[in-house]
Amino acid sequence: GAGVSQSPRYKVTKRGQDVALRCDPISGHVSLYWYRQALGQGPEFLTYFNYEAQQDKSGLPNDRFSAERPEGSISTLTIQRTEQRDSAMYRCASSLFLGGSGELFFGEGSRLTVL
Amino acid sequence: TQLLEQSPQFLSIQEGENLTVYCNSSSVFSSLQWYRQEPGEGPVLLVTVVTGGEVKKLKRLTFQFGDARKDSSLHITAAQPGDTGLYLCAALEDSGYALNFGKGTSLLVTP
Repeated sequence: GAGVSQSPRYKVTKRGQDVALRCDPISGHVSLYWYRQALGQGPEFLTYFNYEAQQDKSGLPNDRFSAERPEGSISTLTIQRTEQRDSAMYRCASSLFLGGSGELFFGEGSRLTVL
Repeated sequence: TQLLEQSPQFLSIQEGENLTVYCNSSSVFSSLQWYRQEPGEGPVLLVTVVTGGEVKKLKRLTFQFGDARKDSSLHITAAQPGDTGLYLCAALEDSGYALNFGKGTSLLVTP
């Protein structure tokens, strides 16, 4: 596609349920990032992929959060046993270049609400 | 983790005024990016600065990278309502992978 595509755009779930958020990056982009963003605040780094390799997961809050990018393209961020504090906008970004030196292109985000 | 401090946090001005927002850190940056985010949208890159002392201009926006590469500023001349948004600076973590963002400056320009 022309841009980074994320789905679902909105997800409402009950506390304790698992959720999976999908990111389809721009074709050919080798780097993929996941961020979490609170309203009016800057994006908070969660994890980074270089092709299919997860190079940095230091931003994942705890072991309920995981991410994968098995074929170096589409990525899934999974949150297990969701808690109300997990409610946020989750944004995916991709870049043509390795590391963080290139321009990041962001998706429209997935807004997660945990009741 | 490299901490990026942005100031001011909020800024409300009238159309035609000038303004400057700042991004500071105690660490040296290899490069620094400025993004603008409009409500309901993802951040969009404005500029990347690499060299200490570098100045880049993008129409009415002037970006400056500090000589020691620890700080940067964004100056907007004759602000317009279309400049309204969240201005974010971002810099590469020492690991070379994570691009960390500041908390941003929320700018409101009223007619």
